[in-house]
Amino acid sequence: AQKVTQAQTEISVVEKEDVTLDCVYETRDTTYYLFWYKQPPSGELVFLIRRNSFDEQNEISGRYSWNFQKSTSSFNFTITASQVVDSAVYFCALSSPRGSTLGRLYFGRGTQLTVWP
Amino acid sequence: KAGVTQTPRYLIKTRGQQVTLSCSPISGHRSVSWYQQTPGQGLQFLFEYFSETQRNKGNFPGRFSGRQFSNSRSEMNVSTLELGDSALYLCASTRSGLAKLEGASYEQYFGPGTRLTVT
Repeated sequence: AQKVTQAQTEISVVEKEDVTLDCVYETRDTTYYLFWYKQPPSGELVFLIRRNSFDEQNEISGRYSWNFQKSTSSFNFTITASQVVDSAVYFCALSSPRGSTLGRLYFGRGTQLTVWP
Repeated sequence: KAGVTQTPRYLIKTRGQQVTLSCSPISGHRSVSWYQQTPGQGLQFLFEYFSETQRNKGNFPGRFSGRQFSNSRSEMNVSTLELGDSALYLCASTRSGLAKLEGASYEQYFGPGTRLTVT
């Protein structure tokens, strides 16, 4: 069965602090994709990153970085020098493509990040 | 490039009524998925369509149905609305359909959602 766990329900930080959002996943599939989405108060889910199970190279994009470790089934997300505009709910998701389609995304319950000025 | 569009954005319906929500995917995207988001259950998968065929279905009652048209636009319908159907309904489009060797793009982009309130 596929499962995504985001143990942190809420995190509060002060602007300019670094913050890491944790994500642990479970799957028996050898080919799978992991995602991070951001949901600001407006409600739209904003795509941040996708990683496939064959690519454990970690990535940095501006203030964002991701740490994918298959050995611990974790796909953590770090924001460096947080800003008030980073305040949102962040979702980690897992999918195992079936043929030519992505298949369903299994979402974690989300982490509410609040960045105070 | 225009993003995923959903109409209407807000909807208020009465128990027992039915509702149809519409989703237009990003141009060139052939796969559309629907999700329901509620505070209690979180984000739950409803169904996935590709080339006008339902490819995957979540654990929702038969009152929830959908379809996809030849231009990849999709609609979902909920009949006999219940109070518990109040939720944010999100549509997502994916540029699926590419062979693995071509590097299938499985980035899934979401629309702004339709907020349905059932009274």
